[in-house]
Amino acid sequence: GAGVSQSPSNKVTEKGKDVELRCDPISGHTALYWYRQSLGQGLEFLIYFQGNSAPDKSGLPSDRFSAERTGGSVSTLTIQRTQQEDSAVYLCASSDGLAGLDTQYFGPGTRLTVL
Amino acid sequence: GEDVEQSLFLSVREGDSSVINCTYTDSSSTYLYWYKQEPGAGLQLLTYIFSNMDMKQDQRLTVLLNKKDKHLSLRIADTQTGDSAIYFCAEANQAGTALIFGKGTTLSVSS
Repeated sequence: GAGVSQSPSNKVTEKGKDVELRCDPISGHTALYWYRQSLGQGLEFLIYFQGNSAPDKSGLPSDRFSAERTGGSVSTLTIQRTQQEDSAVYLCASSDGLAGLDTQYFGPGTRLTVL
Repeated sequence: GEDVEQSLFLSVREGDSSVINCTYTDSSSTYLYWYKQEPGAGLQLLTYIFSNMDMKQDQRLTVLLNKKDKHLSLRIADTQTGDSAIYFCAEANQAGTALIFGKGTTLSVSS
């Protein structure tokens, strides 16, 4: 079946603009994750959604970052007033959310460049 | 907080064995994972080990876990040029809501 998809694949924006990144998880997966991959920083957890539970937002770096997940499926990550340090690859992953081995399947990512 | 450390680069010749090492801080993770990221591609789960195991073998891959030292390693036998990629070690965070990744080890295989 289809994997995790993300759009756009690349986004170039000017400093101060808002951007929205989209993630379509694997159908039926209740858990959805956003990570950020910066050069030299590895992968950094941003936010986690599981079913109808309150999301774990502990990884969001500032209040300029927010995310929502509508209808338990598609998720949008919004970055307001973008800064150059926001430039990174934003990765989305989904999993079946079951206890135990919880394999996360990753999308190809959105490469964000803030000029 | 949780932290995962791994060496950044490894260079080997085709046919040699590669060993990628990782240390972690949180011993409560039920599973420990190795992910692979090929150039221009997303992350893919390569293998994993249950925390009460010492070793897991999967074809050319051998995972060794030393819980006492909180050390995890991935051995790739008969390394091929197609194994060139970035390898990430990961453990679950204490809340079980995310994976904590190392910075990744770039494996370069020369023919």
